[in-house]
Amino acid sequence: ETGVTQSPTHLIKTRGQQVTLRCSSQSGHNTVSWYQQALGQGPQFIFQYYREEENGRGNFPPRFSGLQFPNYSSELNVNALELDDSALYLCASSLMTVNTEAFFGQGTRLTVV
Amino acid sequence: AQSVTQLDSQVPVFEEAPVELRCNYSSSVSVYLFWYVQYPNQGLQLLLKYLSGSTLVKGINGFEAEFNKSQTSFHLRKPSVHISDTAEYFCAVITVNYGGSQGNLIFGKGTKLSVKP
Repeated sequence: ETGVTQSPTHLIKTRGQQVTLRCSSQSGHNTVSWYQQALGQGPQFIFQYYREEENGRGNFPPRFSGLQFPNYSSELNVNALELDDSALYLCASSLMTVNTEAFFGQGTRLTVV
Repeated sequence: AQSVTQLDSQVPVFEEAPVELRCNYSSSVSVYLFWYVQYPNQGLQLLLKYLSGSTLVKGINGFEAEFNKSQTSFHLRKPSVHISDTAEYFCAVITVNYGGSQGNLIFGKGTKLSVKP
């Protein structure tokens, strides 16, 4: 059982609105990564935060933004929602060393209508 | 650039039969490979990982995978599957940042394993 929790579990928003998704990382982990998983696809990397700084970004527009707090929890914000933003958003926490496991939360299912 | 290809989108199999889920990768640098499982409406759980050393890696739930550098493959196998193995399986490679720190996971599109009684 992982210690990564995400909220909310499900969310319905209207096109053009803004949304904030939250992630509490596993105790002792200093790195949080966010992934978007569209239906029938593998997860796609959005960005990674390490010690409150963005430490890498995938091919997502600037309306996808994030924060990491001193307790290493994190937020994903999406502005001007589009229908194609409908997906499962996954948060993963880890340490920065490459041989450590990334633990995933249950995800937030976002539906944009 | 690194990439992962999962050759089968769906694999139906009967209970107690063996199964192999195929994964090929592309990478110009050191390779660290993973298999994750996703049960319906859940997040991802690590099955096994290859970082270095023995090319045969054993994971949880009786799964194993073999790293083959010459064929750039990391196929997942189980000698006898159960109904409870029905799930989606993702192969992934991790990027490594300058200095050796962990980057992000690059996933394949997934393989849906369906175990029938």
